[in-house]
Amino acid sequence: DAGVTQSPTHLIKTRGQQVTLRCSPKSGHDTVSWYQQALGQGPQFIFQYYEEEERQRGNFPDRFSGHQFPNYSSELNVNALLLGDSALYLCASSPRRGGTDTQYFGPGTRLTVL
Amino acid sequence: EDKVVQSPLSLVVHEGDTVTLNCSYEVTNFRSLLWYKQEKKAPTFLFMLTSSGIEKKSGRLSSILDKKELFSILNITATQTGDSAIYLCAVLYPRGGADGLTFGKGTHLIIQP
Repeated sequence: DAGVTQSPTHLIKTRGQQVTLRCSPKSGHDTVSWYQQALGQGPQFIFQYYEEEERQRGNFPDRFSGHQFPNYSSELNVNALLLGDSALYLCASSPRRGGTDTQYFGPGTRLTVL
Repeated sequence: EDKVVQSPLSLVVHEGDTVTLNCSYEVTNFRSLLWYKQEKKAPTFLFMLTSSGIEKKSGRLSSILDKKELFSILNITATQTGDSAIYLCAVLYPRGGADGLTFGKGTHLIIQP
């Protein structure tokens, strides 16, 4: 049973560029949440997707957008990259109707913006 | 404002010691509190707590929630070097139909041999 997978593992971009990160949820999970973890900080909630719609957004600008596909996988897009976007981006999945609040995390994508 | 506060932020102990990590929270419509262990990248799930006073236990780790005083503790007994990690506390409270977790900054635990 595959857990949450993310790609790529590492990414280096320059300021102003755009990036797309990908996430496949754990088998049986239909809800995907994205988090940004800056060095020395806890993860911060970006947004959550289920039924192919963004359901709630944390305190992140519109440069951060996402998408969920019919197979429940998800993408996170960040436009006009800033140095401050350098972070570990984590994807977590959970079952919407599974009777549990537990979210399972993928290994993350380390984004470096130069 | 910080809704989830963990203490201490860092802790260095010797192998075999017992440690207690703290997490306090201040949210409305609280639903659950989760503990994760983060070693390299992916936080790995430890416990989910929803009811006060019921201890969750897994091996040398245990946790309990106090919903009246709005805090939780994570205990690790007979610590080993493999317990060295960042321990994250997160609270789930529904917002607009979504269930994003709100995390504390974590406790960086170092176990010295």
